[in-house]
Amino acid sequence: QKEVEQNSGPLSVPEGAIASLNCTYSDRVSQSFFWYRQYSGKSPELIMSIYSNGDKEDGRFTAQLNKASQYVSLLIRDSQPSDSATYLCAVKDNAGNMLTFGGGTRLMVKP
Amino acid sequence: DTAVSQTPKYLVTQMGNDKSIKCEQNLGHDTMYWYKQDSKKFLKIMFSYNNKELIINETVPNRFSPKSPDKAHLNLHINSLELGDSAVYFCASSRGQGGNQPQHFGDGTRLSIL
Repeated sequence: QKEVEQNSGPLSVPEGAIASLNCTYSDRVSQSFFWYRQYSGKSPELIMSIYSNGDKEDGRFTAQLNKASQYVSLLIRDSQPSDSATYLCAVKDNAGNMLTFGGGTRLMVKP
Repeated sequence: DTAVSQTPKYLVTQMGNDKSIKCEQNLGHDTMYWYKQDSKKFLKIMFSYNNKELIINETVPNRFSPKSPDKAHLNLHINSLELGDSAVYFCASSRGQGGNQPQHFGDGTRLSIL
């Protein structure tokens, strides 16, 4: 059973701070990693993807991947109240197209 | 110009009824999916179709029957609805089956069983 684990939170950070969201996965052959943002009552929205070890930056977002330790993280710099949402980590292996989601971490950015 | 659209957005019905949810994508994608998100917010894959062919069926009760008339549509029919079927059902699509193809989600159908 492939598993993706996230701390459910809530993770509370002040406006302007860096929010750090973590995710671990059990399947060593996983190759593709995605972060989705889901506002309450809305659909998941893709914000980052990462496929290689290291960091990948896109605006205020940085995804970090460490395949040896089987973890992927998302950093949000200069956090804004509008970043308050649930962040879902998703992992896919290269063999098929099945995406396994973690339970999500609820982020609250306080003004 | 919604990319992945689902209807209806809300569905309230009695236990034992049969209902359908429709999904259409205008992205030109080959692969479509149905996910179930329960009250604890876990998002789990139910089915996946590639070019109208079923490729993933994740131990879903056979009361759930997906149908893909063409690669732009994937509908979900549910027979004999049960209380445990109450959830949000999301349709999604991707360009292909490859590992690095992201999935794009519809707005969800909120199903409530009375």
